[in-house]
Amino acid sequence: DSGVTQTPKHLITATGQRVTLRCSPRSGDLSVYWYQQSLDQGLQFLIQYYNGEERAKGNILERFSAQQFPDLHSELNLSSLELGDSALYFCASSETGGNQPQHFGDGTRLSIL
Amino acid sequence: GENVEQHPSTLSVQEGDSAVIKCTYSDSASNYFPWYKQELGKGPQLIIDIRSNVGEKKDQRIAVTLNKTAKHFSLHITETQPEDSAVYFCAASKGTALIFGKGTTLSVSS
Repeated sequence: DSGVTQTPKHLITATGQRVTLRCSPRSGDLSVYWYQQSLDQGLQFLIQYYNGEERAKGNILERFSAQQFPDLHSELNLSSLELGDSALYFCASSETGGNQPQHFGDGTRLSIL
Repeated sequence: GENVEQHPSTLSVQEGDSAVIKCTYSDSASNYFPWYKQELGKGPQLIIDIRSNVGEKKDQRIAVTLNKTAKHFSLHITETQPEDSAVYFCAASKGTALIFGKGTTLSVSS
């Protein structure tokens, strides 16, 4: 058990809809990262937050947004969903915002019908 | 941008044999190289990592080597066991994010 909690484990929705994925980092970790895992693209970095502030941005679509709250949990919001957004979404956390070990949760599987 | 190539994509070994997975990276600024093991239905689990100021690191049956000049790093698993069967990912740092290889599916048969 990595100590990173993601909810929900599975999400099934339709095209055009909006969903929110939630992540609670390991106790003491200040940084949260979001990754998308798909068969064709592999594991891709989306965005990082450190102590409530956006720290780095990767291949995140404009339809996607994230935030980190004062209690350090994070939410990833996906809107105007398309079939191609079906993937596993992972959250990882690390102690600081630098190059520290990142510990992953078990992900949210998003299926768009 | 940063690119991480990982080989082989699949690897089958007999129990007790060694397994080697190789990665190359493109960004000379990368300075942190973790390896992850992912089992079905689970998230990637960090198994070992190495920083650019170290050439080799070992943890029991697992070792990682880094050649900064050639931009290569490798994972070595000795005395493989059936429970080592999983998908293994290498990664290289890009700023504070990680760029992952495409993964190697390791199968250990008894």
